[in-house]
Amino acid sequence: DAGVTQSPTHLIKTRGQHVTLRCSPISGHKSVSWYQQVLGQGPQFIFQYYEKEERGRGNFPDRFSARQFPNYSSELNVNALLLGDSALYLCASSLADGGASLYEQYFGPGTRLTVT
Amino acid sequence: AQRVTQPEKLLSVFKGAPVELKCNYSYSGSPELFWYVQYSRQRLQLLLRHISRESIKGFTADLNKGETSFHLKKPFAQEEDSAMYYCALRGSQGNLIFGKGTKLSVKP
Repeated sequence: DAGVTQSPTHLIKTRGQHVTLRCSPISGHKSVSWYQQVLGQGPQFIFQYYEKEERGRGNFPDRFSARQFPNYSSELNVNALLLGDSALYLCASSLADGGASLYEQYFGPGTRLTVT
Repeated sequence: AQRVTQPEKLLSVFKGAPVELKCNYSYSGSPELFWYVQYSRQRLQLLLRHISRESIKGFTADLNKGETSFHLKKPFAQEEDSAMYYCALRGSQGNLIFGKGTKLSVKP
């Protein structure tokens, strides 16, 4: 298993544009979480999905949205991009949702988004 | 408020010296704490969690509820320990709340 995969690896967008980031979880994992990591900071929680339903949302504006598909892969969408959205976007998968504290989150390599 | 504080951005030690990476947290209730590590050009990975009370790669961390701390320790640092270390707290939504991270540099 290749682990959690994310695409694309790098992305350059202009202010005001829209972006879609993709994540494929480890086979058998039903939960996907998204995090934003700005340079010099730790990852910050954006969304968690479990069995195609949103289970948690961080303190991000409505420009950020996500969804999970029947095969448990996930997309993160960001509309009306701002310069401040430039960051590394991490996806993590786990066997179960956050309520099952014994399940480890496995992180992908991230997508580096640059907004100019 | 749910928060994790790592006061040191950078910690530099010589090989064989003891290491202590500091982590303090703010959480009402019973906290669940983790240490994650990111080696150069690798993805973020779990190092250890307090509920397991295990030692991984010689690292240990003890939860001190009185001091609201979860410091990471290793008695003898190795060059391969050089990496970015993040302390994390499980939030009320089941998400992870990360500190800003500490870069550990172990010199030969």
